Amino acid sequence: EAQVTQNPRYLITVTGKKLTVTCSQNMNHEYMSWYRQDPGLGLRQIYYSMNVEVTDKGDVPEGYKVSRKEKRNFPLILESPSPNQTSLYFCASSRRTGTPKSSTDTQYFGPGTRLTVL
Amino acid sequence: SQQGEEDPQALSIQEGENATMNCSYKTSINNLQWYRQNSGRGLVHLILIRSNEREKHSGRLRVTLDTSKKSSSLLITASRAADTASYFCATVRNSGYSTLTFGKGTMLLVSP
Repeated sequence: EAQVTQNPRYLITVTGKKLTVTCSQNMNHEYMSWYRQDPGLGLRQIYYSMNVEVTDKGDVPEGYKVSRKEKRNFPLILESPSPNQTSLYFCASSRRTGTPKSSTDTQYFGPGTRLTVL
Repeated sequence: SQQGEEDPQALSIQEGENATMNCSYKTSINNLQWYRQNSGRGLVHLILIRSNEREKHSGRLRVTLDTSKKSSSLLITASRAADTASYFCATVRNSGYSTLTFGKGTMLLVSP
């Protein structure tokens, strides 16, 4: 079954304790992305990746890191989490269609990770 | 920055009625997509309309796009209680590194 998986689904942690949220897709998609969703603010993009070893900042990258060592995985790293990073996080993937710089295709979303930083 | 803005923010209707949601955006786009999200769940793609298309149908969904007004609408006909969800429009811009930019969503409640 084609899917995007995220782990963990729920996480409660404390300020400053490094954490990683994993994301994996089995559709051989080039493009992957991380979003956070907050009430009243909708979905905002954190980082995205056009392909292996190619990552770029989205709209709200501060406090986050990503890596893309393999095509299927795109982990989100919070080196020193803070309470303002409490949010619902979504990973997504799609084919990279259009120009080499663009992803114009449908995105497939993971189930979400609800993170609480105390 | 938010590219798409949905209107209304919330919509409450009875089963069997039609639901219309609107989306406005600011810059030139490659395509516009509508997604649905059940409470606390991931987003599910509904329909994609390209900038050179004016209308598209998928089952009970009808999407229109007016690039001169930079707006789109999503119509759900003969709504069902199971259509209760939040609906988001998202745009893919035409310039530079194109990524998907979401609006804040319309929350639809369909009462039996």
